[in-house]
Amino acid sequence: DARVTQTPRHKVTEMGQEVTMRCQPILGHNTVFWYRQTMMQGLELLAYFRNRAPLDDSGMPKDRFSAEMPDATLATLKIQPSEPRDSAVYFCASGQGGLGGELFFGEGSRLTVL
Amino acid sequence: AQSVAQPEDQVNVAEGNPLTVKCTYSVSGNPYLFWYVQYPNRGLQFLLKYITGDNLVKGSYGFEAEFNKSQTSFHLKKPSALVSDSALYFCAVRDFSNDMRFGAGTRLTVKP
Repeated sequence: DARVTQTPRHKVTEMGQEVTMRCQPILGHNTVFWYRQTMMQGLELLAYFRNRAPLDDSGMPKDRFSAEMPDATLATLKIQPSEPRDSAVYFCASGQGGLGGELFFGEGSRLTVL
Repeated sequence: AQSVAQPEDQVNVAEGNPLTVKCTYSVSGNPYLFWYVQYPNRGLQFLLKYITGDNLVKGSYGFEAEFNKSQTSFHLKKPSALVSDSALYFCAVRDFSNDMRFGAGTRLTVKP
């Protein structure tokens, strides 16, 4: 079955360190979304891409977060420097087609910043 | 910007009884509405969607949802709940801006 692959599944790091999360979208999908899930805030949209171009990253703290799609098979979310409040589960999702297309989610990357 | 509201944090039902998980939406233009389910330590899984056409849409695992334009609602339903339906359910909306926004989620617990 085609699926969205995220790495790492778990990451524990210390405050101030750089964290990079990677996502391989489903082949042929032209949109990629990054979400963050916490108990307090629920699912927050951080950024999304269409045909590798960033469409909206207004949900992302710009001073420390960055999202890129170096090619169609890889999306990255980077945090530098990381802070304890960044501890969350980060999900990548991909989809195809227009507004009616559903998203397919990866299993998430659980980040703990000490 | 579009948004959805899930007014119930928690829904408890007995196995075999019907279940409803509520969702209301706010959007400019035509809404594209979705339901997802999340099991512990897993990603979200798509259940069903409303794009256009019949107001009652059917999805995976026996779930269905009713679109009501006048009440701006898109409630998730199942005629007979199973213990295995216990999970976190999310309603989502998409509009012309293309991004997908999720509700806060509703935890469904089905008791034997």
